Amino acid sequence: SQTIHQWPATLVQPVGSPLSLECTVEGTSNPNLYWYRQAAGRGLQLLFYSVGIGQISSEVPQNLSASRPQDRQFILSSKKLLLSDSGFYLCAGTGYTEAFFGQGTRLTVV
Amino acid sequence: AQSVSQHNHHVILSEAASLELGCNYSYGGTVNLFWYVQYPGQHLQLLLKYFSGDPLVKGIKGFEAEFIKSKFSFNLRKPSVQWSDTAEYFCAVNAPGRRALTFGSGTRLQVQP
Repeated sequence: SQTIHQWPATLVQPVGSPLSLECTVEGTSNPNLYWYRQAAGRGLQLLFYSVGIGQISSEVPQNLSASRPQDRQFILSSKKLLLSDSGFYLCAGTGYTEAFFGQGTRLTVV
Repeated sequence: AQSVSQHNHHVILSEAASLELGCNYSYGGTVNLFWYVQYPGQHLQLLLKYFSGDPLVKGIKGFEAEFIKSKFSFNLRKPSVQWSDTAEYFCAVNAPGRRALTFGSGTRLQVQP
């Protein structure tokens, strides 16, 4: 079955520090991969999606960037975190049918 | 661009009440439709999906949804809710050939015993 491993589960970072969240996929090849941010009462906001290695589309202007160095690896990064980057970040993928999700990362910028 | 609207942001029901959560999408072509549920402290899980065929789709835990193409809707229903159905529910759309899976803003369902 398709699974996504996402880490860390929680993270506290100071303002201005860099960020790297990683997710890896098992059980499927060439998935479409997504980074979402989930805010209370605001649902899932699509940040980035990727259809293949090195291919990234940005949905919303951000202080964040994404990369896909390998077919099953998707990374969310920032050079300098802002307080407003705090939130719950979710990696997701779609293979041939429905989407599958990582466990999410709760990021708190202090 | 495709978008998904869930008009009910917070629904409170008593056990045994019937449930209907609205979902409307905007996209003129063929779509795949999904309902996901997120129980407190857990991952998003698939409740049901529609790709083609019978527009009335049965999912897990007694949930069903009906795709009405003319109304661009995919409402989620359950005849009798339980306390354990307390969760957040997300409608999602993926148009074949397009890349992004688009979610609605979610509906928080609270079932009171």
